[in-house]
Amino acid sequence: LAKTTQPISMDSYEGQEVNITCSHNNIATNDYITWYQQFPSQGPRFIIQGYKTKVTNEVASLFIPADRKSSTLSLPRVSLSDTAVYYCLVGDRRDTGRRALTFGSGTRLQVQP
Amino acid sequence: GAGVSQSPSNKVTEKGKDVELRCDPISGHTALYWYRQSLGQGLEFLIYFQGNSAPDKSGLPSDRFSAERTGGSVSTLTIQRTQQEDSAVYLCASSDRRGGRADTQYFGPGTRLTVL
Repeated sequence: LAKTTQPISMDSYEGQEVNITCSHNNIATNDYITWYQQFPSQGPRFIIQGYKTKVTNEVASLFIPADRKSSTLSLPRVSLSDTAVYYCLVGDRRDTGRRALTFGSGTRLQVQP
Repeated sequence: GAGVSQSPSNKVTEKGKDVELRCDPISGHTALYWYRQSLGQGLEFLIYFQGNSAPDKSGLPSDRFSAERTGGSVSTLTIQRTQQEDSAVYLCASSDRRGGRADTQYFGPGTRLTVL
């Protein structure tokens, strides 16, 4: 039971802003949206989490429209080291099991020089 | 502090053998997860432990897979009679679920299992 949909891949160049959108049409009232980053041969790493509107931290921004049926991870001025797979996960602290913890295939971002 | 650790980092075994994979979560984290990731694929949820509650085993692909968590800390994932399709990276994550927000999971480096 897929809860999120993301583009399979994206390409960008160094210094550009990259926006990756995740669709989650069936998001529930208590669900939060969390993004993870995974480099080859490593486990995923938490990037950012939000519930509504906009969240910003030192590495990214997360934009969530009022209906919350999608979210956009924004990476400002990407560098080669941002080449990775990015996963969107939707759920709340009560969620467990296959339905809530299916990361999907993620979005493979390739940054070119 | 120390992150999530897993051992071994690599394991090569013959078809039909049993294997045990170990996960040491972050100290104090009440929740522990096991995932499987095949080459080029996303993460597949396997099993979840939370405190003293019964584990959520809904993601285990067959009865050859089992896991336990001793003393609310270290966890072992056991695969019996391994098959070639079990070859994958097995990832462990832990989180502190006492907060009101959704989980922030901290992942270990994984164990790469190769079944010959």
